[in-house]
Amino acid sequence: GAVVSQHPSWVICKSGTSVKIECRSLDFQATTMFWYRQFPKQSLMLMATSNEGSKATYEQGVEKDKFLINHASLTLSTLTVTSAHPEDSSFYICSAESGDNSNQPQHFGDGTRLSIL
Amino acid sequence: AQSVTQLDSHVSVSEGTPVLLRCNYSSSYSPSLFWYVQHPNKGLQLLLKYTSAATLVKGINGFEAEFKKSETSFHLTKPSAHMSDAAEYFCVVSGKGYSTLTFGKGTMLLVSP
Repeated sequence: GAVVSQHPSWVICKSGTSVKIECRSLDFQATTMFWYRQFPKQSLMLMATSNEGSKATYEQGVEKDKFLINHASLTLSTLTVTSAHPEDSSFYICSAESGDNSNQPQHFGDGTRLSIL
Repeated sequence: AQSVTQLDSHVSVSEGTPVLLRCNYSSSYSPSLFWYVQHPNKGLQLLLKYTSAATLVKGINGFEAEFKKSETSFHLTKPSAHMSDAAEYFCVVSGKGYSTLTFGKGTMLLVSP
């Protein structure tokens, strides 16, 4: 149980395009989802926290207009990297937290490798 | 405030020998502590967690960790390494609930035949 699906797993696109990454909780409802960024050989850095039906909370230094987050339902959150540039290339990972007080940790997706040419 | 220090960026062992990955933490609350494993280009898989119950926690794939409050440590061990254990390991601490996770910088475990 507690599966989080992230799609796509790999994206290669030209500079200036926008890229959308989806994060779905497949067998539970996720009231809160998180988006992380991971640079090569480094740890995960929290970018933002999204709660279903409300605006995301961004960490300091993360551009809200660059990284658009939508959490329209209890099973889906999306991250859109707008007008992506090579410096946005990274590994993006989402996680989901169940809101039923099941005392479970965050459940992580398999990540999305984003490469901007 | 909370923080995690993984003392080794890389650990190399031979297959069949013991594994020790070290982690120290600090937290203003009674912490929950986790170890996650990440294989290349994959997300994080939970190995085990400590949430104020038994101080010796057993996880998947033969891993275990011991919570030592006096030493503020939560080291991960395995009696006998397997080639498939080669991966990046993250020690993670959370405060109240699981909404705030703080990750260590990770330890790359290398296993040689």
